[in-house]
Amino acid sequence: KAGVTQTPRYLIKTRGQQVTLSCSPISGHRSVSWYQQTPGQGLQFLFEYFSETQRNKGNFPGRFSGRQFSNSRSEMNVSTLELGDSALYLCASSQGQGHQETQYFGPGTRLLVL
Amino acid sequence: AQSVTQLGSHVSVSEGALVLLRCNYSSSVPPYLFWYVQYPNQGLQLLLKYTSAATLVKGINGFEAEFKKSETSFHLTKPSAHMSDAAEYFCAVSDHGGGGNKLTFGTGTQLKVEL
Repeated sequence: KAGVTQTPRYLIKTRGQQVTLSCSPISGHRSVSWYQQTPGQGLQFLFEYFSETQRNKGNFPGRFSGRQFSNSRSEMNVSTLELGDSALYLCASSQGQGHQETQYFGPGTRLLVL
Repeated sequence: AQSVTQLGSHVSVSEGALVLLRCNYSSSVPPYLFWYVQYPNQGLQLLLKYTSAATLVKGINGFEAEFKKSETSFHLTKPSAHMSDAAEYFCAVSDHGGGGNKLTFGTGTQLKVEL
């Protein structure tokens, strides 16, 4: 099976712009989670989608949003970008059957905000 | 809420020496614990996980971890380090709340392997 894929791998944006990142989960996986990784804050949970519904949400401002499509692919959007949004954004997928499951991570999208 | 603490942000070992990366957890319920590894410019790769089936868990690349409830620990070990083990290692706990999948990560330990 193909692994989790994320596009694009690298992005450069300027403050105030918005950005959309895409994640394709492993075939058959219905849960997609997003994480932000920064040197200062480490790995932080953004949100999880399961069957097109947001099932879990982290402590991030409303500028961060996401959605999931019927084929389980997910997108996350960040509006009004700030310098502090520069980070590696990781997507992870699982079957969505419980918290004992392994989450499989994609290679990430590295976002630089200038 | 569950949490994990990784002691030592940087660990340096000689090639062939024992690797010991420490992780302590805090949880009011039996935890599900994970160790992930991250190589430069890559995502996270699962090394092993504890889901209460056995206290000694064997993972990939010769790594293993022992769950010790009395010490609230889940330390990662490897008997003999290899140069290819140089990477960042993250301990994580799966959050029981919210009914979904949410991992809470430790701050990570950067492992350096020297000749």
